[in-house]
Amino acid sequence: QVQLQESGPRLVKPSQTLSLTCTVTGDSISSGSFYWSWIRQPAGKGLEWIGHIYATGITDYNPSLKSRVTMSVDTSKNQFSLKLSYVAAADTAVYYCASEHGSLDHWGQGILVTVSS
Amino acid sequence: EIVLTQSPGTLSLSPGERATLSCRASQSVSGSYLAWYQQRPGQAPRLLIYGASSRFTGIPDRFSGYGSGTDFTLTISRLEPEDFAVYYCQQYGSSPSFGQGTKVEI
Repeated sequence: QVQLQESGPRLVKPSQTLSLTCTVTGDSISSGSFYWSWIRQPAGKGLEWIGHIYATGITDYNPSLKSRVTMSVDTSKNQFSLKLSYVAAADTAVYYCASEHGSLDHWGQGILVTVSS
Repeated sequence: EIVLTQSPGTLSLSPGERATLSCRASQSVSGSYLAWYQQRPGQAPRLLIYGASSRFTGIPDRFSGYGSGTDFTLTISRLEPEDFAVYYCQQYGSSPSFGQGTKVEI
C-alpha cells in the first residue's frame, strides 16, 4: 500500500517561499501508476487542490495559484516537492500530499505550515 | 472552473439512521469523475467513493454513491459512531475542485 509523508519547515515568513517534500513508500513514483498531488486546508475550512505532477515532470496547477506554484519530482529519492512563492497569512494551512488516480487515493497525514513574521 | 455545492451544511442524526448528502455541480462533470471523502477531526481525508458510485478498497458497503451530470448523492445506510465526520465531494473531470463539505453530527 502506498504511504506518503510530508516534511519541511513549519514556519515561513511573509513574502518568502514555502517548500515541502513528500516521501513516498510502497510504490515507485516512476512506475507511472499515479499522479502526485498537493492539497491544502486552512484551519476550520475546506480542501483546496493545489496541483499535481507526473513522474515525467508534467504538471497541472490550480489556476488561482498557478503563478506562485512550482512542483518537481526526484525519482532517485522517491519524493516530490512543492514550492509556493510570495506567501502571505492566507497561505497558512495544513498541506497534504496524495497519490492521484483521478481521485485522491492515498493521503499523507498532513503538515501545518504557518506564515508569520 | 466547476463549482461544487454541498447540502446540507450540517446533518444532525443518530446512530443507526440513514444519511443522505448532496453535491451539485455548476456544470456537468465529465465521465462521472466525482469522488467522496470522509474527514474525521485531526485526520487526513480518506477516499470513500470514486467514479460517482465505486467504493474504494476497504470501504464498508453501508456507503453508496450515485448520480451523474450535475447531481450526485452519498448515502450512508445506517450510521455507525465512527461515521460522524465531515464529508467532501470532489470532481476530477476538469481542473479538480472540492465542495465545501457536509458535517454529519450526532
